[in-house]
Amino acid sequence: TQLLEQSPQFLSIQEGENLTVYCNSSSVFSSLQWYRQEPGEGPVLLVTVVTGGEVKKLKRLTFQFGDARKDSSLHITAAQTGDTGLYLCAGGIYNFNKFYFGSGTKLNVKP
Amino acid sequence: DAGVIQSPRHEVTEMGQEVTLRCKPISGHDYLFWYRQTMMRGLELLIYFNNNVPIDDSGMPEDRFSAKMPNASFSTLKIQPSEPRDSAVYFCASTSDPRDRGDQPQHFGDGTRLSIL
Repeated sequence: TQLLEQSPQFLSIQEGENLTVYCNSSSVFSSLQWYRQEPGEGPVLLVTVVTGGEVKKLKRLTFQFGDARKDSSLHITAAQTGDTGLYLCAGGIYNFNKFYFGSGTKLNVKP
Repeated sequence: DAGVIQSPRHEVTEMGQEVTLRCKPISGHDYLFWYRQTMMRGLELLIYFNNNVPIDDSGMPEDRFSAKMPNASFSTLKIQPSEPRDSAVYFCASTSDPRDRGDQPQHFGDGTRLSIL
């Protein structure tokens, strides 16, 4: 069983649509990171959130950390084909150097 | 700056053979992680080192797996003997000392795609 569950597992949308990806757990995290991974490459960090309720924006991407620090969401506005990839959340528990990765959401944005 | 470098990029070998994966972390990073990624189980942490010392190897699947970090610029992950179920993409990642904040990015290599026949 995964400590972090992501939903949906797969998402295929048209360019220009909005979408939200969720990352949920029953555990409390000290911090939560979001990564994007493209085929044949390693994950690349998008953002880190550390405070309950925190919202961070990265251009068209909005990240939110739940008030109880057990969940997070990633919202993409007006998706582009370049957003295609595997999105992974990773939660850190008290030991900041050990992160548990979620199962991932595979996003495909069609032109 | 060069990123995390892993070799080989691809490895195909027969079951029972010894496999050695290599990693060169980013210079100056104190922490090095080995992960395994599969469709079924996602990205799993196998072991991580701090200043060349193994800190947590609870994710290592069994005694067939071993990892070493003889110096700050090199680490190996060895599987002996290899089995078909070891087939996966193995990633190495490094990060600097987070001090009191957990917002240090892990920098990943491009992985080694391992196929055991």
